Amino acid sequence: GENVEQHPSTLSVQEGDSAVIKCTYSDSASNYFPWYKQELGKRPQLIIDIRSNVGEKKDQRIAVTLNKTAKHFSLHITETQPEDSAVYFCAFSSSGSARQLTFGSGTQLTVLP
Amino acid sequence: KAGVTQTPRYLIKTRGQQVTLSCSPISGHRSVSWYQQTPGQGLQFLFEYFSETQRNKGNFPGRFSGRQFSNSRSEMNVSTLELGDSALYLCASSLALQGYEQYFGPGTRLTVT
Repeated sequence: GENVEQHPSTLSVQEGDSAVIKCTYSDSASNYFPWYKQELGKRPQLIIDIRSNVGEKKDQRIAVTLNKTAKHFSLHITETQPEDSAVYFCAFSSSGSARQLTFGSGTQLTVLP
Repeated sequence: KAGVTQTPRYLIKTRGQQVTLSCSPISGHRSVSWYQQTPGQGLQFLFEYFSETQRNKGNFPGRFSGRQFSNSRSEMNVSTLELGDSALYLCASSLALQGYEQYFGPGTRLTVT
């Protein structure tokens, strides 16, 4: 079936450093790749997304890059802050439906002050 | 705009019972998707509804069902509960049939004893 591999599972960085999380997906027909942030006890929050006709998208300190040939996409967070500490999930849309998302297993990001 | 709401927030049931969970999407959103979140399996797609019709279904047994009403509110039902059904059940709403962005509700924490 469709799946996505997400690495690393845990990531600790010093405040101010950059963090990079990578995902590799299986469905070559996928065309939508969102990233969600989930703080402890809270709902997943959409932080950035990219569609397959775009290679990179940036929103302030957050950027996502997509390589459709290699079937992987990455989340980049620059100038990390303690409030960036959370679990981050990558996802991709299953072929045939933009809203049937397959999620990665999550990355626990800890930003050390 | 009010966000996605889910009721109840917490639920404790006994094996063999059934349960109904409710989701109210963001005003104007017509698509509702349901996901199950567990520590072991992560976030998994259950099903999606648009215009009162199930559009997609994930790989879950027939004990899991849902419906959507004309006001876009959605319910999901789990019959003959098993211990393994203990999870956080999240719904997400999306604007329209071609809308990509999904916004999650706070979830219903179901515990089966």
